[in-house]
Amino acid sequence: DGGITQSPKYLFRKEGQNVTLSCEQNLNHDAMYWYRQDPGQGLRLIYYSQIVNDFQKGDIAEGYSVSREKKESFPLTVTSAQKNPTAFYLCASTPPVEGTDTQYFGPGTRLTVL
Amino acid sequence: SQQGEEDPQALSIQEGENATMNCSYKTSINNLQWYRQNSGRGLVHLILIRSNEREKHSGRLRVTLDTSKKSSSLLITASRAADTASYFCATVSDSSYKLIFGSGTRLLVRP
Repeated sequence: DGGITQSPKYLFRKEGQNVTLSCEQNLNHDAMYWYRQDPGQGLRLIYYSQIVNDFQKGDIAEGYSVSREKKESFPLTVTSAQKNPTAFYLCASTPPVEGTDTQYFGPGTRLTVL
Repeated sequence: SQQGEEDPQALSIQEGENATMNCSYKTSINNLQWYRQNSGRGLVHLILIRSNEREKHSGRLRVTLDTSKKSSSLLITASRAADTASYFCATVSDSSYKLIFGSGTRLLVRP
């Protein structure tokens, strides 16, 4: 899991609540990503950020929001507008080396809506 | 969008046997990567092969890339029970640095 930490490991949310998932990295990576993984499926990109104070929508951004105020941190908020938020959420980052697209992943947060 | 599609979806082999997983994709790529995921954990990068490469080795792993067929294969030789995991291919296109993941192959290596 490298130098990327995600917290909490498990998160339970009641319907209608917003929740924020933490992602922190001490690898000095510029780019950070959030993915959603559903059972038996691959990863789908929610949001990504290439530099501080800048982020872009991925393929499934609706119902999610992010911020990138610090290089080390890229928190994801799952809002009440996300209709089916129960999933496994993975954060990743990429080193600032040109030509390297390898992503380093955190251990994930499993979100369950009660 | 999911560009890479792995085949088979699930594979069960005996320890010591070789495991082969295939990945097909749709658009032109800059590189293709393979990742491993143990149950309930994050992904770990295994190997990257660029569009101008045809084969690459790393320990017991061998990856091939056929850009004319838009396909790649991952071979794990002399498999071990500890190789049990899900394996994903992911592509990076020429026009984007984003990774597009396939749906994965679940490998079970029986001791």
